Amino acid sequence: EVQLLESGGGLVQPGRSLRLTCTASGLTFDDFAMYWVRQSPGKGLEWVSGINLNGGVTAYANSVRGRFIISRDNAKNSVFLQMNGLRAEDTAVYFCAKGHYYDNSDPLDAFDFWGHGAMVTVSS
Amino acid sequence: DIQMTQSPSTLSASIGDRVTITCRASQSISPSLAWYQQRPGKAPKLLIYQASTLERGVPSRFSGSDSWTEFTLTITSLQPDDFATYYCQQYSSLPITFGQGTRLQI
Repeated sequence: EVQLLESGGGLVQPGRSLRLTCTASGLTFDDFAMYWVRQSPGKGLEWVSGINLNGGVTAYANSVRGRFIISRDNAKNSVFLQMNGLRAEDTAVYFCAKGHYYDNSDPLDAFDFWGHGAMVTVSS
Repeated sequence: DIQMTQSPSTLSASIGDRVTITCRASQSISPSLAWYQQRPGKAPKLLIYQASTLERGVPSRFSGSDSWTEFTLTITSLQPDDFATYYCQQYSSLPITFGQGTRLQI
């Protein structure tokens, strides 16, 4: 069974950095694109970033482009989200999600497995 | 960016009812649309992809259809577990965008 486990969330001051990690099991990790989706308290879902199966193509929401960096280590079955210059509006639960389509060279997908989420709170 | 507009925002129904949720895209995306169910405090769950293909393990009372830029999620014979929030998502072009959600309540 596919499992995704996020780690690295927490409380951080505005302007500081945080790195999220998502570790996957139960799948051939380098066959699938991976994604980050966030949900602010009481709000809807917002796609944040995606990375294709070999890490050669990345994509970002306008709200985080230039501040967040997505990467992956296929040898460790892990995808990362480096978050720099954090703002109060980045406060959210951050979900890691697996792309639905096998061997998708572009980070454009439905998301068929999700982690439980990591809470990131940006506050002084 | 492609805007996804869901309606209604809130829907009241009863056990056994048939309900329909609509998602309208600001431009053509067919058939790159997915539907998700999210229960409070839980991660979203994929129900339908490619507008009308049921994900494995999802009950057949869920169905999806599309007509160019308008997409519908229909749930027949509502069960207690179905009371949740539903989101549509387009994955036709970047950035990927979600609808604002429809809360299905008793």
